[in-house]
Amino acid sequence: AQKVTQAQTEISVVEKEDVTLDCVYETRDTTYYLFWYKQPPSGELVFLIRRNSFDEQNEISGRYSWNFQKSTSSFNFTITASQVVDSAVYFCALSEAWTGFQKLVFGTGTRLLVSP
Amino acid sequence: DTAVSQTPKYLVTQMGNDKSIKCEQNLGHDTMYWYKQDSKKFLKIMFSYNNKELIINETVPNRFSPKSPDKAHLNLHINSLELGDSAVYFCASSQDLADTSTNEKLFFGSGTQLSVL
Repeated sequence: AQKVTQAQTEISVVEKEDVTLDCVYETRDTTYYLFWYKQPPSGELVFLIRRNSFDEQNEISGRYSWNFQKSTSSFNFTITASQVVDSAVYFCALSEAWTGFQKLVFGTGTRLLVSP
Repeated sequence: DTAVSQTPKYLVTQMGNDKSIKCEQNLGHDTMYWYKQDSKKFLKIMFSYNNKELIINETVPNRFSPKSPDKAHLNLHINSLELGDSAVYFCASSQDLADTSTNEKLFFGSGTQLSVL
């Protein structure tokens, strides 16, 4: 069975601090996809990244970076020099390839509060 | 133009009523979904439709009936509403992920906050 664990319920940082959001997943499938979504206070879900299980290369996009480690089943997300606009709930999610369709299993989310 | 739009944004109703939430996507996607987010922010898939065919039904009560008149629309009808149905309901769409060479993602609507009193 698939499972996604985001052990950090809430993180508070001050602007310009770096922050890492942890994500640990469980799956029996060898082919799967990992995602991060952002849910700002306005409520919509914003796609940040998708990574497939065969691509362990870390990715950087501006202030965002992702560290995918199959050995520890983790897909952590780091925000460098955080800003107030980064305040949101961040969800990690997993989809097993055999489903063919995007049956995403979400973690419980990490609420990030960035204060000025 | 909004890619995935759902209406209404807020829905307040009494227990026992029947209500519908509409969803439309203009992305030309084959697959549409309904997700439920409870008060603790936990997101869980309810249904998935591919080209108007039901693909995933995650043990959702029979009171919930999705209807897909065409592949651009997936509406959610809820009968005999209960207090526990209060949640935010998200519609989403994607291309068929069976083609794993694509770099597809799930596009979400902005959510419908349902409050059952």
